[in-house]
Amino acid sequence: GAVVSQHPSRVICKSGTSVKIECRSLDFQATTMFWYRQFPKQSLMLMATSNEGSKATYEQGVEKDKFLINHASLTLSTLTVTSAHPEDSSFYICSAPGLRTDTQYFGPGTRLTVL
Amino acid sequence: SQQGEEDPQALSIQEGENATMNCSYKTSINNLQWYRQNSGRGLVHLILIRSNEREKHSGRLRVTLDTSKKSSSLLITASRAADTASYFCASAIQGAQKLVFGQGTRLTINP
Repeated sequence: GAVVSQHPSRVICKSGTSVKIECRSLDFQATTMFWYRQFPKQSLMLMATSNEGSKATYEQGVEKDKFLINHASLTLSTLTVTSAHPEDSSFYICSAPGLRTDTQYFGPGTRLTVL
Repeated sequence: SQQGEEDPQALSIQEGENATMNCSYKTSINNLQWYRQNSGRGLVHLILIRSNEREKHSGRLRVTLDTSKKSSSLLITASRAADTASYFCASAIQGAQKLVFGQGTRLTINP
């Protein structure tokens, strides 16, 4: 089946630095990818929709200048958390729809810890 | 915005018993999906039920969908310790590819 990878799986950074998270579709092309954030013991919250060749669409309340999304190719989307702060510490998960519009493939997630 | 609600938020049962989790959503959907997540790990897709389906089975899983009530339920029969995890419903919004997740149910199976 289709596979989505994320890199890194874990990252620890200092407050004020920027962190880039990659999401790749390994054996299929994805013109759209989704980024979710999950705080401890909570559900997944959709942050934004990443669109290949155009600007990302952000959900209400998500700062687009803080969470930069670049969908550079049909297999890669990146999420950059700029000027990270401890409250940005979370589990970030990406997904990509498969050929069938009702299937979504999720990456394994990236755990970000901001000190 | 997150639109799904699930109950119970937490469920603890004995091994061998059945576990039922409920999910409600707010808008029209193409389908509804259930996922499992072990602590700190990624999501595992369990089952998908389309908007024109009312019930679906997969192994020990049984999912129902009532579009008139905008609700779904997941039944896990003959539970095992390995079923201990968080379970989330996710509704596929009609006209969009994105999924909106419910709040989740933390299921604990006691041996």
